[in-house]
Amino acid sequence: GESVGLHLPTLSVQEGDNSIINCAYSNSASDYFIWYKQESGKGPQFIIDIRSNMDKRQGQRVTVLLNKTVKHLSLQIAATQPGDSAVYFCAERTGGFKTIFGAGTRLFVKA
Amino acid sequence: NAGVTQTPKFQVLKTGQSMTLQCAQDMNHNSMYWYRQDPGMGLRLIYYSASEGTTDKGEVPNGYNVSRLNKREFSLRLESAAPSQTSVYFCASSEGGGPGGYTFGSGTRLTVV
Repeated sequence: GESVGLHLPTLSVQEGDNSIINCAYSNSASDYFIWYKQESGKGPQFIIDIRSNMDKRQGQRVTVLLNKTVKHLSLQIAATQPGDSAVYFCAERTGGFKTIFGAGTRLFVKA
Repeated sequence: NAGVTQTPKFQVLKTGQSMTLQCAQDMNHNSMYWYRQDPGMGLRLIYYSASEGTTDKGEVPNGYNVSRLNKREFSLRLESAAPSQTSVYFCASSEGGGPGGYTFGSGTRLTVV
């Protein structure tokens, strides 16, 4: 069945280092892949998305890479800051209004 | 702009009680969604409304009903609450089914005892 999973439940990085959060997906028909950030006590916040016909997209301090051959998605955060500490979710949109979320990776940033 | 506003923020219900979770968005979005989030799990879609006047079931609709009152408001009703419905509920909205993500509210933490 459809699933979106994450390789690591937690990730700890030093402030200033780059972070890489990974995600696997199983539905080849998904048209968009999206990353969300969720801080404690808040709703998820949209970070960046990538269309299925792209392999890389950059935003401010973030880059999303899509490897359709191995059905893998990653979020790279440059120069990680304490404010980046949160849970990060990958999600895939399988067409229209159906979006499937992964379980999330908690990112800890050490000062 | 307030974005997506959910009320209440916290609620405790007894098994069998009913309640309605309210959601309103001020971004003129066409589509609205209700998700639940349980510990260690991602968000699961309960119901969605692609546009005003339409509603459809998501992954976990059992025990819930929804109403798209107008373009701004989308409510979620629990007719007879069960302990399994203890969760954090998020409302979200989007322009439609195209690119971009959803805008989420801050959530309602519901406990059913």
